[in-house]
Parts: sequence; C-alpha cells; structure tokens
Amino acid sequence: EIVLTQSPATLSLSPGERATLSCRASQSVGTYFAWYQQRPGQAPRLLIYDASNRATGIPARFSGSGSGTDFTLTISSLEPEDFAVYYCQQRSNWYTFGQGTKLEIK
Amino acid sequence: QVQLVQSGAEVKKPGASVKLSCKASGYIFTTYIIHWLRQAPGQRLEWMGWVNPANGNIRYSLKFQGRITTTRDTSASTAYMELSSLRSEDTAIYYCARDYGDHLYYFDYWGQGTLVTVSS
Repeated sequence: EIVLTQSPATLSLSPGERATLSCRASQSVGTYFAWYQQRPGQAPRLLIYDASNRATGIPARFSGSGSGTDFTLTISSLEPEDFAVYYCQQRSNWYTFGQGTKLEIK
Repeated sequence: QVQLVQSGAEVKKPGASVKLSCKASGYIFTTYIIHWLRQAPGQRLEWMGWVNPANGNIRYSLKFQGRITTTRDTSASTAYMELSSLRSEDTAIYYCARDYGDHLYYFDYWGQGTLVTVSS
C-alpha cells in the first residue's frame, strides 16, 4: 500500500497569508494525485486533481504542484473560509489518503 | 445541481450487517461510477469500493473483500453499500462519492455522510 504522509500536522496562519502544505508518497505515484478540503461537519471537496489541475469551480488561489513522491498545495492568499483540514490522495496504486493537515487561524 | 443524498444514521450490534443508500440527482446516474469511502474517528479516509451504475460492475478494496457488497437501482438512481460481520472498528462516517470522470478515481461530489455506530 502506498502511504501518504502530510506535513505539517497543523499550520497556523492569518487571513491574507500564503499557505504551503506538503504530502510525500512512500513510492512514486506519477501525477495521479489529488487534494481535498474538508470543513467541520462537511464532506471533503475536491480541489486539485492530477497534481496540478484545479477541479471545477475551485478558485485560482489554490494551486498544486509536484510529481513522483513530493507534492505541494499552495493557497496564495488565505480567505476565512479556507481554514479547514486538507487531505491528499493518490490513485496510482489503489486509492489512499494522507492523514490530513489542519489549517487554523493564527 | 448534482446531489448525493445518503440514508440516515444506523446503530448496529457486532456481527450484524448494515445497508446504506445513496440517491443521486442532477445528472445522468449511469454516467459516473459511485464510490464508497469511510472516515473512522481519528483515522484517515479509506476507500472501500465502487459500483458502476451503467452495468453493475464492482471493485472492492482487498481489506473489505468478502464483507462488502455494492449494488445499484437505476430506476431509483440509487446506489447501495452493504457491509457485513460488523465490528466496533467499523464505527465510522460512511460516504458515497461520484467519480470525477470516466474511471478517474478522484471524488468530486460527495454525500453528506452516514454515521454507523457498532456497539453491543
């Protein structure tokens, strides 16, 4: 099984700041990789697929990069609604998720 | 608009089975496969399996093989997931989610989740 490890576990930032979240895969997944946002009490929301493509309706402040084993989600300027938990997911070998990064207001 | 509406919370005893439903609307049901995932307290999201509404084809995670059955009723635009031989570790929120495209195995629209509690 491919294990995804996210860092940091918690990220404390203020609105307007830039957020950088990381995810590392235990083996190469190419670009078969996605990011999700989960707000409290809600289902996850697809943000980025195939490592760098924004899903339908996702604002341009969200961007993804990386390939192989190292991936990054960047939020260029945080809005209040962006404070949530973020998960990464791979589909290269079955489908597994990271443990999540909590983005909290500083 | 696309919506997936799941059935209500369930409380089951160990060893029992649970069958959850996921009613789709706002798109052609047979166009996208429906996945089932779960999120146990403090655990990662976990993919369990899928059903293809167009033809009934299925695929399951090896972890759940033998305990999971996914089906669909095209006349009701509804997908189902049955999990048997429940144990306390199966306590979780169960989600259905639509595939983002043609077997892309990303998940765009999600149901609201169904809490399943397994307790004696």
